[in-house]
Amino acid sequence: GAVVSQHPSWVICKSGTSVKIECRSLDFQATTMFWYRQFPKQSLMLMATSNEGSKATYEQGVEKDKFLINHASLTLSTLTVTSAHPEDSSFYICSAPSGTSGLNEQFFGPGTRLTVL
Amino acid sequence: AQSVTQPDIHITVSEGASLELRCNYSYGATPYLFWYVQSPGQGLQLLLKYFSGDTLVQGIKGFEAEFKRSQSSFNLRKPSVHWSDAAEYFCAVDFSNSGYALNFGKGTSLLVTP
Repeated sequence: GAVVSQHPSWVICKSGTSVKIECRSLDFQATTMFWYRQFPKQSLMLMATSNEGSKATYEQGVEKDKFLINHASLTLSTLTVTSAHPEDSSFYICSAPSGTSGLNEQFFGPGTRLTVL
Repeated sequence: AQSVTQPDIHITVSEGASLELRCNYSYGATPYLFWYVQSPGQGLQLLLKYFSGDTLVQGIKGFEAEFKRSQSSFNLRKPSVHWSDAAEYFCAVDFSNSGYALNFGKGTSLLVTP
């Protein structure tokens, strides 16, 4: 099946710094990727849709200036958490759809755990 | 409004006992349906999926799920639970039927006792 990777798998940073998380589709191209956020012991919440060659679409309540998304190529989307604060600490997961005959399904990356001190 | 409901936040079963995790959705048509498992600190692993056709779906690790249109349900089952099955289970729904982002239920935490 299709493989999605994320880098780094975990990161610790100081409050006020920016952190970049990469999401790559390794063996397929993805014009669209999705970014989710998961707080401890909670479900995944969709943050934004990353679109190759155009602006990302953010879900209601997600600050676009806080969470910068760039879909630079058909295999790479990046999420930059700007001026991170402790409340941004979370597990960030990306996904990309792949499939044939219109039967797309999401393939998830392994996630990135962000801890802001 | 479209929604995904997992009524049970926690479930405890004895090792070797059968398991059923419930999932209901609210939608006018039949969406794509998925079950994922997440071990502590790990990413998501797909257990099984339903797009169309046979309403009883077989997945990995001995899991199966049955789609019931009349009940808008997609319950996950396993006849005999192993201690390694202890994890968080998420039901997820693609209401777009086209590979758009998934809507996740709140998850069910499974504890397996000896």
